[in-house]
Amino acid sequence: EPEVTQTPSHQVTQMGQEVILRCVPISNHLYFYWYRQILGQKVEFLVSFYNNEISEKSEIFDDQFSVERPDGSNFTLKIRSTKLEDSAMYFCASSEDLQGADTQYFGPGTRLTVL
Amino acid sequence: AQSVTQPDIHITVSEGASLELRCNYSYGATPYLFWYVQSPGQGLQLLLKYFSGDTLVQGIKGFEAEFKRSQSSFNLRKPSVHWSDAAEYFCAFTGTASKLTFGTGTRLQVTL
Repeated sequence: EPEVTQTPSHQVTQMGQEVILRCVPISNHLYFYWYRQILGQKVEFLVSFYNNEISEKSEIFDDQFSVERPDGSNFTLKIRSTKLEDSAMYFCASSEDLQGADTQYFGPGTRLTVL
Repeated sequence: AQSVTQPDIHITVSEGASLELRCNYSYGATPYLFWYVQSPGQGLQLLLKYFSGDTLVQGIKGFEAEFKRSQSSFNLRKPSVHWSDAAEYFCAFTGTASKLTFGTGTRLQVTL
């Protein structure tokens, strides 16, 4: 069964460093998402992406964050200058359609630890 | 404000017992509703979803959920829990936009 994959599974970085989290969505999906979950809190939407453009972003997704589809398979989330409060589990998801009823398939997540 | 509430942070049930996980939503219209499960080290797996029609929906692993508009609820049920069902369960919804709004999750522990 096709699945979303994410690398690395765990990333440790120093405050102020740039990190890139990578995702490979399901191959025939066109819509991509990033969510995050701070330890002990709910999963929160960050951004959705379609046709090489951001479709929607939350207030969390400020200028420190960017997303890119650098090739036909990868989807990345970059944090330019990490802060302690960026420590969280980051989930990538993809879907065939952008309708609210469409199912989003999630990857296993990348745990980001900022020291 | 649009939100999802899962009032139970942690639930413990015996294997073979029935299960009900509660979920209430706040949204101005009828949302699309989802239940996801997260096992340790795994991603979020969709159990079931409701978007129209029959208010009782069947999902994978023997789970079902019932949408009750009058109560703004979408509770998840299973008649007989297995030890492998121990995990964290998330209720979520979308509206016209595709972003998922999640509840805080319910951690299920199963005793043998």
